[in-house]
Amino acid sequence: DIQMTQSPSSLSSSVGDRVTITCQASQDISSYLNWYQQKPGKAPKLVISGASNLEIGVPSRFSGSGSETDFSFTISSLQPDDIATYYCQQYDSLPLTFGGGTKVEIK
Amino acid sequence: QVQLVQSGADVKMPGASVTMSCKASGYTFSDYSIHWVRQAPGQRPEWMGWINTGNGNTKYSQKFQGRVTITRYTPAGTAFMELSGLRSEDTAVYYCARGWRDIIVVPLDYWGQGTLVTVSS
Repeated sequence: DIQMTQSPSSLSSSVGDRVTITCQASQDISSYLNWYQQKPGKAPKLVISGASNLEIGVPSRFSGSGSETDFSFTISSLQPDDIATYYCQQYDSLPLTFGGGTKVEIK
Repeated sequence: QVQLVQSGADVKMPGASVTMSCKASGYTFSDYSIHWVRQAPGQRPEWMGWINTGNGNTKYSQKFQGRVTITRYTPAGTAFMELSGLRSEDTAVYYCARGWRDIIVVPLDYWGQGTLVTVSS
């Protein structure tokens, strides 16, 4: 199975700050990497697919980059509505696997 | 709009089986696949399996092989997931999610609200 490692596991930043999360795959997954946002008690929501493709309706302050084994997810200007846990997930091969999550809080 | 509506919470004894449903609306059910993903409290999501709603083909995670069965009833636009031999570690929220019909390894673009299963004696 492909292991997905995210860092940090949690972060606290101020409104308006730039926030970056990283995700590392245990082997080359090309660009087969998604990012999900999960708010407490809710299902994950697909935010970015294919490493850098913003889903329709998702604010442009969210972005993703990377390929092969190293990926990053950025919120350019943190907003109160962005409070959530973010997960990366690879879809290069089965089983689909998720990172451990990054909990984003407002300072 | 696309919606996946799952059945309600359930409590089961260890060793029992649980079956849950996922009813799709807002799109043609057989044009997309259904995946099942579970999330134990405080843990990362974990993929369990997939069904091609067009032809009924399934694929399961090796971890759950032999214990999980995914089916669908196309006239009702509903997918089902049965998990047998329940143990306390199976306590989790179980989600269905939509994927592409003929390719398993894809983004999961819409998710159900989740079904909480509690396994306890």
